[in-house]
Amino acid sequence: AQKITQTQPGMFVQEKEAVTLDCTYDTSDPSYGLFWYKQPSSGEMIFLIYQGSYDQQNATEGRYSLNFQKARKSANLVISASQLGDSAMYFCAMRAPGGGADGLTFGKGTHLIIQP
Amino acid sequence: DAGVTQSPTHLIKTRGQHVTLRCSPISGHKSVSWYQQVLGQGPQFIFQYYEKEERGRGNFPDRFSARQFPNYSSELNVNALLLGDSALYLCASSLGAGLGYEQYFGPGTRLTVT
Repeated sequence: AQKITQTQPGMFVQEKEAVTLDCTYDTSDPSYGLFWYKQPSSGEMIFLIYQGSYDQQNATEGRYSLNFQKARKSANLVISASQLGDSAMYFCAMRAPGGGADGLTFGKGTHLIIQP
Repeated sequence: DAGVTQSPTHLIKTRGQHVTLRCSPISGHKSVSWYQQVLGQGPQFIFQYYEKEERGRGNFPDRFSARQFPNYSSELNVNALLLGDSALYLCASSLGAGLGYEQYFGPGTRLTVT
């Protein structure tokens, strides 16, 4: 079975500081994909970044980077120079071919609040 | 380009009724997935369709069904509604159905069952 664990229910961070959101995962499949999504209060899930299990380098997208540590089964999201607009729920998700279902498995999320 | 669209935005139904939710994918996307997000939780996978075929199904009862049309739009149907079906229903589209395809989500339909 696939599982995503996000251990930080909520975080308060000062504007312009860097933020690290934790995510650990569990799967027996050697091939899998890891995703991060942002969900503002409006409800829409916004795709941020993707990391494949065989990718050699950590993924980066603008101010977002994914700290992928395969041996530890962790895929932490790093947001550099945080902004007030970064305040939202953040979800880590995984997709693996096993289990017959092909959808994303999500964690419970981290509520990030950026303070001025 | 238009993103994923869903209708209706909000819906209130009574226990035992039936509901149909609709989703139009991003142009060129051939895969549609449905998720249920209960308040305070991450989304739970319900179905994925690719090229009009069911590609995967999550752990939901048979009261939940879906289909994908030739234009790749999709419907999610829920029969015999229960109070516990109250949730935000999210539709996501992707170019393909493989492992690394990013899923782009719509704004969701908020269903309230009374």
